[in-house]
Amino acid sequence: EVQLVESGGGLVQPGRSLRLSCTVSGFPFGDFAMSWVRQPPGKGLEWVGFIKSNSYGGATEYAASVKGRFIISRDDSKSIVYLQINSPETEDTAVYYCTRTVSGDWSDYWGQGTLVTVSS
Amino acid sequence: QLMLTQSPSASASLGASVKVTCTLSSGHSSYAIAWHQQQPEKGPRYLMKVNSDGSHIRGDGIPDRFSGSSSGAERYLIISRLQSEDEADYYCQTWGAGIHVFGTGTKVTVL
Repeated sequence: EVQLVESGGGLVQPGRSLRLSCTVSGFPFGDFAMSWVRQPPGKGLEWVGFIKSNSYGGATEYAASVKGRFIISRDDSKSIVYLQINSPETEDTAVYYCTRTVSGDWSDYWGQGTLVTVSS
Repeated sequence: QLMLTQSPSASASLGASVKVTCTLSSGHSSYAIAWHQQQPEKGPRYLMKVNSDGSHIRGDGIPDRFSGSSSGAERYLIISRLQSEDEADYYCQTWGAGIHVFGTGTKVTVL
């Protein structure tokens, strides 16, 4: 059974850093790209970024709204994908989901999400 | 610019069918999309990928009441034999040139 479990969310002050983790099981993690998607309270889904498999160099892409502040990385030995949130802003308050991404294209499995609240 | 447009809402009676539309921006009519369902207070769930020729691939465990089709720049999600648990938000997603885009979502109400 494919499972994706996010962790690391919580309350963070503006300007402080936070790292989210997504631990996966049930499929060969190293063969797949992984994405992060967020959803502000009461709003729609927003793509954050993705990381390709190491077979494709582990290349990353980011949405313009987070580029330069967020960093996605992966540890294939632990089947974990990370989202480092640097210099968070109140607008980054959202539920953050990780997804398995087929060929770096569409998301076909989602985690349950972890809530990040940016507030002083 | 790659964008997706969705109507905010759609509704149909219990047991009937409903069609949800997702429109690709100009110049992107050949792109495939994916549909995702988000029931109230839950995380999203992948439903299917819909190609420009209308062919579609459902996700694991998705019943065949859910189907997809295409016409030009429009991609459709058709839900047949509506059930109460189909009341949810439905999002389309597309991708290209290193970016991904989600539509604004359509809230489906079962009357």
